Amino acid sequence: QSVLTQPPSVSGAPGQTVSISCAGTSSNVGSGFAVYWYRQLPGSAPRLLISENNNRPSGVPARFSVSKSGSSASLAITGLQAEDEADYYCQSYDSSLSGVIFGGGTKLVVL
Amino acid sequence: QVQLLQSGAEMKKPGASVTVSCKASGFSFTTFYVHWVRQAPGQGLEWMGMINAGAGDSVHPQKFQDRVSLTRDTSTSSVYMLLTNLGSEDTAFYFCARGPPYSVGPAPLDLWGPGTLVTVSS
Repeated sequence: QSVLTQPPSVSGAPGQTVSISCAGTSSNVGSGFAVYWYRQLPGSAPRLLISENNNRPSGVPARFSVSKSGSSASLAITGLQAEDEADYYCQSYDSSLSGVIFGGGTKLVVL
Repeated sequence: QVQLLQSGAEMKKPGASVTVSCKASGFSFTTFYVHWVRQAPGQGLEWMGMINAGAGDSVHPQKFQDRVSLTRDTSTSSVYMLLTNLGSEDTAFYFCARGPPYSVGPAPLDLWGPGTLVTVSS
C-alpha cells in the first residue's frame, strides 16, 4: 500500500487533456513538501518528468504541468500524444516516516 | 557522459545475500546522495534508502533497517547496496538514482541507473 494514492489507470484520446491525481496526507503533501513526477516507459528506468513550480528537465515539453492543493497534487498532460503512453509516479517526503515516498503509479493509455 | 552504471542481473537462493553496485561518471560523485529504489515485476516503486556519497552516512526506511546496508567507495565513485536474508518477495529490479545533497525533505531523483534484476528462487 503506497503512502501516496494515484489512480491505477487513466486514458484519453490523442489531442485530449488528462490529469493524474496524487493524494497524500498531512504528514507529506499536506505539510507543504514538494511533489515530483516521474515517467517510466516499459523496460526502462523511471525518469524525472517535472517538479513543483513546473520545472521541467530539458526535453520535456510544456504540455506537462503540475498543480497542488492541500494534501493533493496533480499532473496534467495537454495535447495527448501516443508517445505519452507510460506509467507515471508521484513522489514526495513524509515527515512521520522520515523518508522518500512514492505513489503507486498510474498507467496512461492513449486510445 | 553523466550516467549511473549498475552491475548485472543476479540469481539468488532464499536466505542468501546480494550486493548491487552503482558506478557514477561524468559528475562530482561526492556532492550528491545516492538513493536506491526497487520495483517488483508489474509493481510500483519502493524507496529503500540513501547514502551520502561524500560522508558515507545513510538513511533507510524502517522496513529495511535490518536488511539493507549502503556503502560507497569514493576512489571509484561507486555505491554498493547489500540486501541480506533474501526471500521471494525481494525479486525485483533495483535502481540507484542521484538525489540532491540533503537527507531531509523531498528529493528529486534526476539521474537513474538502468536497473539490476535480482531474482530469488530456490
